[in-house]
Amino acid sequence: GENVEQHPSTLSVQEGDSAVIKCTYSDSASNYFPWYKQELGKGPQLIIDIRSNVGEKKDQRIAVTLNKTAKHFSLHITETQPEDSAVYFCAASIKAAGNKLTFGGGTRVLVKP
Amino acid sequence: GAVVSQHPSWVICKSGTSVKIECRSLDFQATTMFWYRQFPKQSLMLMATSNEGSKATYEQGVEKDKFLINHASLTLSTLTVTSAHPEDSSFYICSALRQGYYNEQFFGPGTRLTVL
Repeated sequence: GENVEQHPSTLSVQEGDSAVIKCTYSDSASNYFPWYKQELGKGPQLIIDIRSNVGEKKDQRIAVTLNKTAKHFSLHITETQPEDSAVYFCAASIKAAGNKLTFGGGTRVLVKP
Repeated sequence: GAVVSQHPSWVICKSGTSVKIECRSLDFQATTMFWYRQFPKQSLMLMATSNEGSKATYEQGVEKDKFLINHASLTLSTLTVTSAHPEDSSFYICSALRQGYYNEQFFGPGTRLTVL
């Protein structure tokens, strides 16, 4: 089955700096890659996603890049703010296989004011 | 984004009792919902896929008689933890699949279950 690795497990950045989280996946059939933000005691919130026919997608301060050949995708957060502090999860799924998500291990991001 | 609710947000019960958790998609219909379990500082673990009008599909190692799932309508799925024990204490999260070009999953706020 699919395996998703996520790095780093923790990330501390200064407010205003950029944060980058990287994920790799194993199943070349995966074609949908969402990113979720989870705050303490809450459910994950979808923040951005990308499909395998697109190499990059941007939404304000958040961007995701996908390299299908290397089977890795990354989340980029620019101009970080304290409210960006949370745990971020990457995931991968195959639409034809029931849309089940396989999650990475998560990255705890701390933005220091 | 779409809205998914869960009820209750937290529950404390005695060992041996059963607990029902509801998951509702509030602004879209979901033929497919998913149930996850999350331990502290860990990732989400998929327990089962809930399909409206048919039996749920359970992941390997998840006891279907222990975790009963009913997807009664296009907006409601329920998870019943039967004969709960302390090791069932966890954060249970549901998601609803909004079908379309992306087939996005939207998550509920989670239910904290504590079994005494």
